[in-house]
Amino acid sequence: NAGVTQTPKFRVLKTGQSMTLLCAQDMNHEYMYWYRQDPGMGLRLIHYSVGEGTTAKGEVPDGYNVSRLKKQNFLLGLESAAPSQTSVYFCASRESSGRMGETQYFGPGTRLLVL
Amino acid sequence: AQKITQTQPGMFVQEKEAVTLDCTYDTSDPSYGLFWYKQPSSGEMIFLIYQGSYDQQNATEGRYSLNFQKARKSANLVISASQLGDSAMYFCAMREIRGGGADGLTFGKGTHLIIQP
Repeated sequence: NAGVTQTPKFRVLKTGQSMTLLCAQDMNHEYMYWYRQDPGMGLRLIHYSVGEGTTAKGEVPDGYNVSRLKKQNFLLGLESAAPSQTSVYFCASRESSGRMGETQYFGPGTRLLVL
Repeated sequence: AQKITQTQPGMFVQEKEAVTLDCTYDTSDPSYGLFWYKQPSSGEMIFLIYQGSYDQQNATEGRYSLNFQKARKSANLVISASQLGDSAMYFCAMREIRGGGADGLTFGKGTHLIIQP
């Protein structure tokens, strides 16, 4: 049981390049999330999904797209990377209901540097 | 307005002492959840404790307890008998359950806790 995994762990991009971050969970969770963490800040919600085939915008969605084609995977795309997108990206997942369903479990993070 | 406020950017505490990390929150949603996460220098986010807005008792998980004062909108984390391994960033977070806005957690800026031997 790996929990939440993220690929890649670290990436360097040039301005204007594109890339996709992959998040995978093996806990059969309905809800999945993408957050970014900037220095000296807490995490901020980029996009989220309440189930396979659904996506919705969070607090800071501009410049990102997401897809949830399979329940266990949640992809975050950067179509044209900008230096302002240099950050650490965290994926998280949780069950859909109940007290235990409130807890979000996080992946290890992806460090992205945009030059 | 900030929804989650952590007023202690950094704290130094002697090993084996109890620690209280402050968190105040702002919401008009009657149904919400409050969370604390630990982020060690390795970077991962570790769930510590959860308190629901309708819970009658304060949450406890081992050495962690949450001092929930609803009227004051405060959700302080208490760590009893601190250990060197408790040195980390600690984040308070909230989810508004019926807010109608985006699902997901809203985080404070964190408190950097350093345990000294």
